[in-house]
Amino acid sequence: NAGVTQTPKFRVLKTGQSMTLLCAQDMNHEYMYWYRQDPGMGLRLIHYSVGEGTTAKGEVPDGYNVSRLKKQNFLLGLESAAPSQTSVYFCASSYSAHRTYEQYFGPGTRLTVT
Amino acid sequence: AQSVTQLDSQVPVFEEAPVELRCNYSSSVSVYLFWYVQYPNQGLQLLLKYLSGSTLVKSINGFEAEFNKSQTSFHLRKPSVHISDTAEYFCAVSDKFSGGYNKLIFGAGTRLAVHP
Repeated sequence: NAGVTQTPKFRVLKTGQSMTLLCAQDMNHEYMYWYRQDPGMGLRLIHYSVGEGTTAKGEVPDGYNVSRLKKQNFLLGLESAAPSQTSVYFCASSYSAHRTYEQYFGPGTRLTVT
Repeated sequence: AQSVTQLDSQVPVFEEAPVELRCNYSSSVSVYLFWYVQYPNQGLQLLLKYLSGSTLVKSINGFEAEFNKSQTSFHLRKPSVHISDTAEYFCAVSDKFSGGYNKLIFGAGTRLAVHP
């Protein structure tokens, strides 16, 4: 079991460039999430998905798009990168929407936008 | 909506000393609480959680946390830390069912630095 994996691990973009971050989970979880982590701010939810083919906005969705074409994959896209999107991005998944269930996290993608 | 406050952004401590990382949450009728740990250059891992029952919960590596409803706190403690405990620790609360997903609210994190 690989759990939650993310590619790439690191990326440097110039302002205005686009990229896609890939998240994959092998636990058959319905629910998947994208967070960004910034110093002193903890993790903030960007977008989430409650099942294949569905996505929804989280707390900080502006500048990002997502897709969940397959249950095991959740993609995060940046159409036109900005320096404010320099961050560490984490993907997570959970078995259930119930509050008692933990979320499982990937190792993160460190993105720098110059 | 719930909020989580971690009172210390950094906690330096010597090896084998005790440590307490503080976490307070905003009040709610029912609450589920989590501590996650992030080792350097890794993702977050669940350390322990409080769902119900005994207010003292323990992890397999010697950490424990006590749910205190009257003080709305969920402080994390370890009686004797090791160098390997150096990491960032996040307190999180599971908010009430919202939008059909498991909503976790995270604190800003506390960086624990254990020195020899």
